[in-house]
Parts: sequence; structure tokens; C-alpha cells
Amino acid sequence: GENVEQHPSTLSVQEGDSAVIKCTYSDSASNYFPWYKQELGKRPQLIIDIRSNVGEKKDQRIAVTLNKTAKHFSLHITETQPEDSAVYFCAGSAGDKLIFGTGTRLQVFP
Amino acid sequence: ETGVTQTPRHLVMGMTNKKSLKCEQHLGHNAMYWYKQSAKKPLELMFVYNFKEQTENNSVPSRFSPECPNSSHLFLHLHTLQPEDSALYLCASSQSQSGSSYEQYFGPGTRLTVT
Repeated sequence: GENVEQHPSTLSVQEGDSAVIKCTYSDSASNYFPWYKQELGKRPQLIIDIRSNVGEKKDQRIAVTLNKTAKHFSLHITETQPEDSAVYFCAGSAGDKLIFGTGTRLQVFP
Repeated sequence: ETGVTQTPRHLVMGMTNKKSLKCEQHLGHNAMYWYKQSAKKPLELMFVYNFKEQTENNSVPSRFSPECPNSSHLFLHLHTLQPEDSALYLCASSQSQSGSSYEQYFGPGTRLTVT
């Protein structure tokens, strides 16, 4: 079955800097890779996703890249702001089941 | 409001109690999910239902019993739980199409404490 690994587990950056979170997956059949943001005490919410027929996707300050050969994908946040502070989860999926990474706690200091 | 609601939001139960968690989605989705979120294993998939049929049981102990009477409602029946079952239980829903995945919308979760 699918296994998703996520690094780093914690990440601290200064406001305005960039943040990068990386994930690897094991199942070559996986074709959908979403990223979720979970603020303290709140539910996870989708911030961006990418399918296996695309190498990169961007939405304002957030971008995701996918390398199918190496089986890894990354989340890039530019010009970070304090409100970006949260736990970020990557996930991989083939079919109706999402397997989540262990999460990255991002702290953005003013 | 994401359209997925869960009740109760908080639950404290003894190891000999029986309780149920309820999830309801108002998004017209056909797939529903139960996740367990704890400090040790974040977002651990428990069960998947597609068109009311269970399609995934991720080796969950039998003290957790899911029920999906229709595509809008999902229950998790709990009995003789252990303290290590204390966690946040999240429900989610999504569109369903064979071989494809879609965004999952999460409910607010039920914070369960087993004493």
C-alpha cells in the first residue's frame, strides 16, 4: 500500500522568507497529491493539489511541484506571513483513499 | 462552514461505556471517511464508505463499529474503548469516482477522552 513520508516535522521561518516542505511516496500508481493546512483547533482544509499529469501548480504565494520519477512532491510558500503558521499535511492517493504524511508544524515569526 | 458537521464536539467516556459519533454532510458527496488524529499518528485513516458501502477498513479494532445508513450520514459506534483511543476523530466527505480522488472536506472533529 501507499506510504507517505514528510519532512521536516517542524519549520521556523522569519516573516517574508520562503518555506519548503517535502514529501515522498511509495506507490507509483498514486495520481493525486493534495496539501492540507490545519490551524490550531481547526479542521484540515485543502490549500492546493496536483495530479500526476502536471509537474507544477501555483496559486498566489503557494506552489506545489511533483517529480513522478523520484516519487516526491513539495510545497513552496513564498513571502510567508504570521497567518501561514499552522500544521501542513501532504497526502498521496490512488483511488478513493488518501494516505497522509505526518505533518509539518510551520511557525512564521514576525 | 464546510458543509460537514459532527456531533458531539467533545466526549468523555469510561472504558465500559457505549457511545456513538455522528457525521453529516450537506455537499451531495458519495464518499465518507473516518480518521483518527492523535499526537503519535496524525490523520490515520480508519474507514471509507462509497455509496454507503464500506470499501476500506484500515485494520481498525472491532471496538470501533462504523455505520453508513445513507450517503449523507456516517456514524462511529464505540464500545469498551481503551485510554489510548483518546484522540480527535475527524469525519470527511468527497465526490466519488472509481479510480480518481477528489478534495476531501473535513468536519470539525469530536475530541474523545477515554477515562
